[in-house]
Amino acid sequence: KQEVTQIPAALSVPEGENLVLNCSFTDSAIYNLQWFRQDPGKGLTSLLLIQSSQREQTSGRLNASLDKSSGRSTLYIAASQPGDSATYLCAVTSASGSARQLTFGSGTQLTVLP
Amino acid sequence: SQTIHQWPATLVQPVGSPLSLECTVEGTSNPNLYWYRQAAGRGLQLLFYSVGIGQISSEVPQNLSASRPQDRQFILSSKKLLLSDSGFYLCACWDTREFFGPGTRLTVL
Repeated sequence: KQEVTQIPAALSVPEGENLVLNCSFTDSAIYNLQWFRQDPGKGLTSLLLIQSSQREQTSGRLNASLDKSSGRSTLYIAASQPGDSATYLCAVTSASGSARQLTFGSGTQLTVLP
Repeated sequence: SQTIHQWPATLVQPVGSPLSLECTVEGTSNPNLYWYRQAAGRGLQLLFYSVGIGQISSEVPQNLSASRPQDRQFILSSKKLLLSDSGFYLCACWDTREFFGPGTRLTVL
């Protein structure tokens, strides 16, 4: 059974710092890996999706990497801003029967201090 | 692009009462649909998924059930709510990637 772990559980940084969030998964048989952002009481917004054949994806100040063989992914946020404060969730997509399923980590709660 | 609607947005119900949460999807056809629950301090847990009308797969045993009466409608139900059913319920749709609805906050008292 796939398990996804995110470290750290919470992170507080001053504005302007670069930071890295970590995600690991136990079963490397995945279709893709996604990083989501969740604001308090809200749904999930997909930030980056990395296909299993890819090594990284970039969007603005965000860069996500994937090392499928070692079961690891990182989300790098450059020049952090207070608006980046949110919970960041990592999820891997794998197959179960006829449907693809997401398995989520428990998230990293990020606070960027002005 | 897909749009997912969920209602109600928030719900407070007494223990033992019934539940019906609705999810509808626009902008796609024959999608895979999912119900997730996010309990306080925990990650998202997949509850049910559906690959088509009337086809429901359950991931965890519980007092909840799901139904898909139409292609783009997914309903989460319970006959008698438990305190442990409290949480944030998210409906999702898969179409090349996952899209999530805004969620329903359920509090069982």
